[in-house]
Amino acid sequence: EVQLVESGGGLVQPGGSLRLSCAASGFIFSNYAMSWVRQAPGKGLEWVSVISGSGSSTYYADSVKGRFTISRDNFKNTLYLQMNSLRAEDTAVYYCAKGWFGNLLIYFDYWGQGTLVTVSS
Amino acid sequence: DIQMTQSPSTLSASVGDRVTITCRASQSISSWLAWYQQKPGKAPKLLIYKASSLESGVPSRFSGSGSGTEFTLTISSLQPDDFATYYCQQYFSYSETFGQGTKVEIK
Repeated sequence: EVQLVESGGGLVQPGGSLRLSCAASGFIFSNYAMSWVRQAPGKGLEWVSVISGSGSSTYYADSVKGRFTISRDNFKNTLYLQMNSLRAEDTAVYYCAKGWFGNLLIYFDYWGQGTLVTVSS
Repeated sequence: DIQMTQSPSTLSASVGDRVTITCRASQSISSWLAWYQQKPGKAPKLLIYKASSLESGVPSRFSGSGSGTEFTLTISSLQPDDFATYYCQQYFSYSETFGQGTKVEIK
């Protein structure tokens, strides 16, 4: 059974940093691209970033480019999102999502339960 | 970036109704489109991929169609469990953008 479990969310001040983790199980982690998708309170889904199965290729939404870094550890079956220079508009539930394939053009067949990030002073 | 526009934003319907949601892309995305269902406080659930392929385990009352720039999600006979918000998502370009969502409410 595929499982994705996010952690690391919480309250952080504007300008601060946070690292999210997503522990994956039930599939061969290194074979699949992974993404982070976020949802601000009461709003729709916003794609944030994607990383290839090998970790060699990454892409970011313009809204987070230069501030967020996606990475993965294929030995630990874990996906990460390092978030720096956080802004109030980054407040959202952050979902880890599994791609259907290893390349970067993906839809998402499994999602984690989400972790809430709140940016506020 | 490719923009995805869904209509309507909200839809009021009754159990047993046939429901259609439209998603339009700002440029051609071939058939690289997925549909998701999301209930309050829950993660999205994949329904349809490649515009018309039904994900395993999803009831056959859900169907998708379209290609290029215009797509539809149809629920043939709305069930109580189907009241939720639905999102389309393109995966033609590296910014995998979502539509703004369509909330299906009880009439």
